[in-house]
Amino acid sequence: GQQLNQSPQSMFIQEGEDVSMNCTSSSIFNTWLWYKQDPGEGPVLLIALYKAGELTSNGRLTAQFGITRKDSFLNISASIPSDVGIYFCATGANSKLTFGKGITLSVRP
Amino acid sequence: EAGVAQSPRYKIIEKRQSVAFWCNPISGHATLYWYQQILGQGPKLLIQFQNNGVVDDSQLPKDRFSAERLKGVDSTLKIQPAKLEDSAVYLCASSTFRGANPTYEQYFGPGTRLTVT
Repeated sequence: GQQLNQSPQSMFIQEGEDVSMNCTSSSIFNTWLWYKQDPGEGPVLLIALYKAGELTSNGRLTAQFGITRKDSFLNISASIPSDVGIYFCATGANSKLTFGKGITLSVRP
Repeated sequence: EAGVAQSPRYKIIEKRQSVAFWCNPISGHATLYWYQQILGQGPKLLIQFQNNGVVDDSQLPKDRFSAERLKGVDSTLKIQPAKLEDSAVYLCASSTFRGANPTYEQYFGPGTRLTVT
């Protein structure tokens, strides 16, 4: 089945720093989404992207839908301790979502 | 607006026992999903309902897993008999419609963490 590639598996940053993470696929998709999951909770939708090249912001978060439609990027600016968690990319096709393996973000105070 | 509710939050059972999970989606959401999330992985879709009908159960291990959504609102997922490899978090999600299709903006419950010993 289709696979979404997220790497590295873990990222460690200092509070106040910006961080970027990306997600790639060998297939083309028309919808990309980014979710965040806190320990013991379900994933929470951060940003949904529906058009190639689209750049969308949600507070300190900015995500872009790659023009090739095979990738997407998430940027977090001025990180704070509550940004800690697992960030998943997901693609939508045939009314279903497929998730990447996630990137665990740690923020040092 | 209340979110997706799931119970129980945690369950420990022995292999070969049975277990059931319950989900109540966001009010008015016609589409309901059950996912399995193994530690270190992203959620994997098990089954998708639209109202009380199954849309996709291609990844549901039907020899041991079953799910129903009889009245098109809440849903139960059952495992019988459980295996060690079923240890995971079981997430329920729901979504509404945009036009004729469910939106991709799914809202997740807190999940049920199942441990099979």
